[in-house]
Amino acid sequence: QKEVEQDPGPLSVPEGAIVSLNCTYSNSAFQYFMWYRQYSRKGPELLMYTYSSGNKEDGRFTAQVDKSSKYISLFIRDSQPSDSATYLCAMTIGSNYKLTFGKGTLLTVNP
Amino acid sequence: GAGVSQSPRYKVAKRGQDVALRCDPISGHVSLFWYQQALGQGPEFLTYFQNEAQLDKSGLPSDRFFAERPEGSVSTLKIQRTQQEDSAVYLCASSLGTSREQYFGPGTRLTVT
Repeated sequence: QKEVEQDPGPLSVPEGAIVSLNCTYSNSAFQYFMWYRQYSRKGPELLMYTYSSGNKEDGRFTAQVDKSSKYISLFIRDSQPSDSATYLCAMTIGSNYKLTFGKGTLLTVNP
Repeated sequence: GAGVSQSPRYKVAKRGQDVALRCDPISGHVSLFWYQQALGQGPEFLTYFQNEAQLDKSGLPSDRFFAERPEGSVSTLKIQRTQQEDSAVYLCASSLGTSREQYFGPGTRLTVT
């Protein structure tokens, strides 16, 4: 079993939909949680970064962390065709800065 | 300002050839990371530098892989005697000090034939 599990999709939604992306993890030592967006043939781009359990909002994006369930989510409101990309969750253990990534979820937002 | 740059963007190597992949981190970024991303997978950690010191190389898959950052800025990932299973995108990321926010370059797509 991998340390971080993420449904690879693909996920296809109409423009304007609310998108929910999720990851589960097995290592309770993970403390810092990130969401990256990766367009085709580009490097990952950091979207959200959270530490504690709870919600963090940035524009149309909300990141949610539930450490008791070892479950993290990213919500995208009013999704746009430009949101079409692969979304990667990533996490790291305290002072160890290497990131452990999920497999990524391919999202397509249809106009 | 300039982001992380990597060169070449694409590399085709015959099996058994040596390759060298270059990463130019964001100016002033102390930490530098290399990741390997196979098709349809998330990036996997290879190695980590803080300035010129290689602090973690636990992700390097074999002794054919070698990374250096001699002056604490530009880094090179070298793969000797390439094999087909080395085909992947090699990503470089940098971060400021001990920040956990890593900024990625566009990657080098290596194809071994």
